[in-house]
Amino acid sequence: SAVISQKPSRDICQRGTSLTIQCQVDSQVTMMFWYRQQPGQSLTLIATANQGSEATYESGFVIDKFPISRPNLTFSTLTVSNMSPEDSSIYLCSVLRLAYNSYEQYFGPGTRLTVT
Amino acid sequence: GDSVTQMEGPVTLSEEAFLTINCTYTATGYPSLFWYVQYPGEGLQLLLKATKADDKGSNKGFEATYRKETTSFHLEKGSVQVSDSAVYFCALEVVRGSNYKLTFGKGTLLTVNP
Repeated sequence: SAVISQKPSRDICQRGTSLTIQCQVDSQVTMMFWYRQQPGQSLTLIATANQGSEATYESGFVIDKFPISRPNLTFSTLTVSNMSPEDSSIYLCSVLRLAYNSYEQYFGPGTRLTVT
Repeated sequence: GDSVTQMEGPVTLSEEAFLTINCTYTATGYPSLFWYVQYPGEGLQLLLKATKADDKGSNKGFEATYRKETTSFHLEKGSVQVSDSAVYFCALEVVRGSNYKLTFGKGTLLTVNP
């Protein structure tokens, strides 16, 4: 498995401001991801965080709104920019590990964001 | 495209009842399939997986069999406990070249009453 920590665990922010979420993994991983889980909903992939290059964003998500950094193989940040109440969600960091000839994806505890 | 259709919840059972949560998928090729569980106030945990047809994943008394002929991966448990109350997500792996992602179902809330 993987031990993943996220900071902050929760925050309440005012609209128009930005929040940066940090994700730290206990060992090097090739692939890191950021997901959003809106209240009562499933998980939606925001982007794949690539080490040494720009993140790969899913349809509906853009770099200006969700800039991502990945300076090394154990750390990534997601910024939620110019927030609105619609950005209130749980944001989850995830990593991919190879286990017994197949991949397994592990998730951090999440950051619960409320925008007022 | 690749997608997962999961049984709508919520599901409410009494302790020791039999549980089935249905999951069917649409995919190109033969993806790995997963069940994740999210306990109240906690993050997502991998519950079990299957990587090829007829594989059975199992963990904590839960089982799911990868059925290619019916494109299904139903989650079952013979006797649920109160501590099994959680949201359960079915997911399939989508790999396109060097791109990897999990596609999730909408989740099924299970409540087990004593």
